[in-house]
Amino acid sequence: QKEVEQNSGPLSVPEGAIASLNCTYSDRGSQSFFWYRQYSGKSPELIMFIYSNGDKEDGRFTAQLNKASQYVSLLIRDSQPSDSATYLCAVSQFYFGTGTSLTVIP
Amino acid sequence: DTGVSQNPRHKITKRGQNVTFRCDPISEHNRLYWYRQTLGQGPEFLTYFQNEAQLEKSRLLSDRFSAERPKGSFSTLEIQRTEQGDSAMYLCASSLGGSGRAGDTQYFGPGTRLTVL
Repeated sequence: QKEVEQNSGPLSVPEGAIASLNCTYSDRGSQSFFWYRQYSGKSPELIMFIYSNGDKEDGRFTAQLNKASQYVSLLIRDSQPSDSATYLCAVSQFYFGTGTSLTVIP
Repeated sequence: DTGVSQNPRHKITKRGQNVTFRCDPISEHNRLYWYRQTLGQGPEFLTYFQNEAQLEKSRLLSDRFSAERPKGSFSTLEIQRTEQGDSAMYLCASSLGGSGRAGDTQYFGPGTRLTVL
């Protein structure tokens, strides 16, 4: 059973701050990692994917991967109230964590 | 193309009845996925198609669940003899596939919410 663990939160940050979301996974052979955002009552939408160790940046979002530690994270810079959502970590396409609920306080 | 579509959006049924859901993927996508999501949980993988071939099926999936993608386009998910524990959001996603890593990116449909009374 492939396990993906996330802190369910809720995580609250003030507007303009950096939000840090973390995810660990059990299958050392995993090669692909994804972050999705899911607004309440809506479907998940992809934010970023990462395959190689290190950082990958896209606008205000940075994904970080450390395969040795089996750890992947998502940083959101200059957090906005519109970023308030549940953030899902997915490993090897199919396996999702339970998600971290983020609230950005104006 | 407007994205992945799913029908119906909502389904209420009585325990013991059979239900069928339909998913229409993005037209050029050859991979199609089904997930189940309950409140407070992430999507739980059910099954996956590449074109018309069902390549993977979750071991957690009961024999009451079956999925088809007969012509490699739309897919149906059938649940036989529904139980109250089947109440959930059923999500469909599609991806381009192919050798490029970007082909793994999944695009989700709006989901079908099933309520079993």
